[in-house]
Amino acid sequence: EAEVAQSPRYKITEKSQAVAFWCDPISGHATLYWYRQILGQGPELLVQFQDESVVDDSQLPKDRFSAERLKGVDSTLKIQPAELGDSAMYLCASSPTGNTEAFFGQGTRLTVV
Amino acid sequence: QKEVEQDPGPLSVPEGAIVSLNCTYSNSAFQYFMWYRQYSRKGPELLMYTYSSGNKEDGRFTAQVDKSSKYISLFIRDSQPSDSATYLCAMRKVGNTPLVFGKGTRLSVIA
Repeated sequence: EAEVAQSPRYKITEKSQAVAFWCDPISGHATLYWYRQILGQGPELLVQFQDESVVDDSQLPKDRFSAERLKGVDSTLKIQPAELGDSAMYLCASSPTGNTEAFFGQGTRLTVV
Repeated sequence: QKEVEQDPGPLSVPEGAIVSLNCTYSNSAFQYFMWYRQYSRKGPELLMYTYSSGNKEDGRFTAQVDKSSKYISLFIRDSQPSDSATYLCAMRKVGNTPLVFGKGTRLSVIA
C-alpha cells in the first residue's frame, strides 16, 4: 500500500540551530501539505504545494521557515534558527488533487532544547 | 472563534458501547468532510471521507453530515479497546484548498 514517507521520525536540536525535514508523497499525488501539530491540538497548515508551486503559505513564519518542492515530487521543510516554541510534530500529507482526501505520513517529532 | 470546533474530551466508554463524536463549523463554504484517527506519536489515518450532506457507513463506522446545522458526526458501533485514539475532524472548501482541522477528541475504550 502506498504511503507518505517522512524522515527523520524524531529530531532533537538545540535552539538557534538549523533543522530540516523531508517528505516523499504518494506517487502521482500533485498536492502536498506540511502541517504542524502541537501536543493536544489539531494540525495547522504551514504550506501547500500544487506540483512545484506554492498555493498557500500564509501561515508559514517566513523569517525562519522555508519549504521547497523541486521537480514537484519530494519536499523539504527547513527551520533556521530553531526556537523552543517550534517543538511539535511536523506532518506531511498528499492528495491526488486539491479536491480529494489527504493522506498523512507518520510525522517528524521535533524537540528543541 | 475557530472555524472548526471539537470537544477535546477525554471521552471514556466501556467496550461494546456506541461512541458519538462531533464537530461544528462556522464556514458554510466547507463541502468535503473527513474523520481521521490518530494513535499516540503517529500520523493521522483517514477513516471516512464524505462530500456534502448525508450518511456514509464503513464497517463499524458511520459518518453523518448535516450542512443545515453545520454539524458533523462520527459513530463507532461495538467499540473496541483498539479504537482508543484521538479522533480528528477535518474539512475543506471546493477548489484547491487545505484541510482545516478540529482540536481532536481523545477516546478511551475500556475492556
